[in-house]
Amino acid sequence: ETGVTQTPRHLVMGMTNKKSLKCEQHLGHNAMYWYKQSAKKPLELMFVYNFKEQTENNSVPSRFSPECPNSSHLFLHLHTLQPEDSALYLCASSQDDGKPQHFGDGTRLSIL
Amino acid sequence: QQQVKQSPQSLIVQKGGISIINCAYENTAFDYFPWYQQFPGKGPALLIAIRPDVSEKKEGRFTISFNKSAKQFSLHIMDSQPGDSATYFCAASYPGNTGKLIFGQGTTLQVKP
Repeated sequence: ETGVTQTPRHLVMGMTNKKSLKCEQHLGHNAMYWYKQSAKKPLELMFVYNFKEQTENNSVPSRFSPECPNSSHLFLHLHTLQPEDSALYLCASSQDDGKPQHFGDGTRLSIL
Repeated sequence: QQQVKQSPQSLIVQKGGISIINCAYENTAFDYFPWYQQFPGKGPALLIAIRPDVSEKKEGRFTISFNKSAKQFSLHIMDSQPGDSATYFCAASYPGNTGKLIFGQGTTLQVKP
């Protein structure tokens, strides 16, 4: 398997649920990213990890909790989400200079 | 504050025509400008990228034109095909290893047969 793989592809959850999104990259990259893609808005960077260390938190609410156990895996733990959090969540990876970034196909998240 | 402005929001082109999408940026510190193509149900895929020391870069039917003084760059798709119908995003990146990409709002391209 190659590239950036995200699971699940679709997720429906209630506002009180706890769930996790998973991302795995097979490109040998050192940096991984979470983005949020909402309709009619630019992609928004959420978190950056470089060599497993978080280097960027773009003022993301604490109900989103990232975890990067190694350079190949990235998780986004979700709890007590709001309806406005419904979006496509994209994972990306790159070499440590960030150029270029390669994206997965995303997890479509719907909050009931 | 929108640091990268993209236009038009949508574009319809006949097969064989030229599609042109424009982006303008504000921060002169940006040092890398990629374009991404996204099909429905898929993540963005890198199409072509340019650095500010180059005024033009061509890869097949896709060309980036870069105007550093005007802080603008554009994507030209020559001989547009129905298979090019997708959403296109420009982006700009800060120097160093911050990995921070600032995206434009996207352009939905429809190429009519």
